[in-house]
Amino acid sequence: DGGITQSPKYLFRKEGQNVTLSCEQNLNHDAMYWYRQDPGQGLRLIYYSQIVNDFQKGDIAEGYSVSREKKESFPLTVTSAQKNPTAFYLCASTRTRNSPLHFGNGTRLTVT
Amino acid sequence: QKEVEQDPGPLSVPEGAIVSLNCTYSNSAFQYFMWYRQYSRKGPELLMYTYSSGNKEDGRFTAQVDKSSKYISLFIRDSQPSDSATYLCAMIGYTGGFKTIFGAGTRLFVKA
Repeated sequence: DGGITQSPKYLFRKEGQNVTLSCEQNLNHDAMYWYRQDPGQGLRLIYYSQIVNDFQKGDIAEGYSVSREKKESFPLTVTSAQKNPTAFYLCASTRTRNSPLHFGNGTRLTVT
Repeated sequence: QKEVEQDPGPLSVPEGAIVSLNCTYSNSAFQYFMWYRQYSRKGPELLMYTYSSGNKEDGRFTAQVDKSSKYISLFIRDSQPSDSATYLCAMIGYTGGFKTIFGAGTRLFVKA
């Protein structure tokens, strides 16, 4: 079955530590995205990538970094510079930019 | 003013009721309209994807788009407890590049 796999499902870190969230897709989609979801705020775009070795900042990129070395993989690093990192992080992909997004099942990050 | 407005609810209905979920938007550049269902601690899953004004039906679900009023709706007939989830509207438009904008989501509870 094709889909998007995010791991781990839950992640706990101490303040000041960087942490990397994994996202892998086998849908053969070119474009991949990272969203952050907070209660009552909907989905906010962090970064997106339309092709390998290229990515662009979304609306809330500060404190985050990404890489896109392979078509299937788009890891997100939450750095210590992110002021409020506790959130639910969703990875998504699309075949084209006017196609609907397909989502993974998310990673819940808690930083204390 | 947000580009997409969606009442967060919660909306509580008895089993078997017809549910109406709505979103309004302000940007006439939006061309594609979607509804996603999101269960707790899961990623959003695509329910409906429409392009033109009018109705689109899929089983118990009907999506309605009125571009002249900038208003979209999702109707759920014969609602079931398993329909209890958060429903997100989303829209794709070209504003210097294709972009997907999400509503904040409406929490729905269907009581047995």
